[in-house]
Amino acid sequence: AQSVTQLDSQVPVFEEAPVELRCNYSSSVSVYLFWYVQYPNQGLQLLLKYLSGSTLVKGINGFEAEFNKSQTSFHLRKPSVHISDTAEYFCAVSDRGSSASKIIFGSGTRLSIRP
Amino acid sequence: EAGVVQSPRYKIIEKKQPVAFWCNPISGHNTLYWYLQNLGQGPELLIRYENEEAVDDSQLPKDRFSAERLKGVDSTLKIQPAELGDSAVYLCASSQYPAGLGGELFFGEGSRLTVL
Repeated sequence: AQSVTQLDSQVPVFEEAPVELRCNYSSSVSVYLFWYVQYPNQGLQLLLKYLSGSTLVKGINGFEAEFNKSQTSFHLRKPSVHISDTAEYFCAVSDRGSSASKIIFGSGTRLSIRP
Repeated sequence: EAGVVQSPRYKIIEKKQPVAFWCNPISGHNTLYWYLQNLGQGPELLIRYENEEAVDDSQLPKDRFSAERLKGVDSTLKIQPAELGDSAVYLCASSQYPAGLGGELFFGEGSRLTVL
């Protein structure tokens, strides 16, 4: 069975500083990986996804993530954050190629930006 | 292109009352999901539809929850009777392709339920 672990429930960081949000997954098969962002009182929207190919994936708003198969990780990074990045970030995984596959979400990391 | 539309955005009811949530997915998206999101947690799958068929409802508490997707488009999620522990945000999402083919989810804004 799949599972996703987001190691930090909250990450405070100063504006213009770099940030890394950690995500580890487990699955017995190959996976697809996603990061979603949820702004206050809104639904989730896709930041980026890894389907295949290059392990470094670039997304919207200057975010990027790197798929590391040996570490079973998919950490999200941004070199310089802005106040507008304040939100909850969710890592998600789905099993590749299975008709029964579903997208499983982590518990989320709340990113708070200090001026 | 219109996104996933959910209604109502907010609903407050007393326990033991019924409640229903409606979802209109993105046009052409055959896969529809209902997720439950408790405060401070990630979304948890309740039910997944492929067209009209509920292909995964293993996490839906069938004693009080029901869902339908008539004609493979709009969907309704119902709770009857509601309990205090049902207070949460109910998210609807749709995708063009199944998760096993890398289909990404497009979410609505959610329906926040408060049970008093």
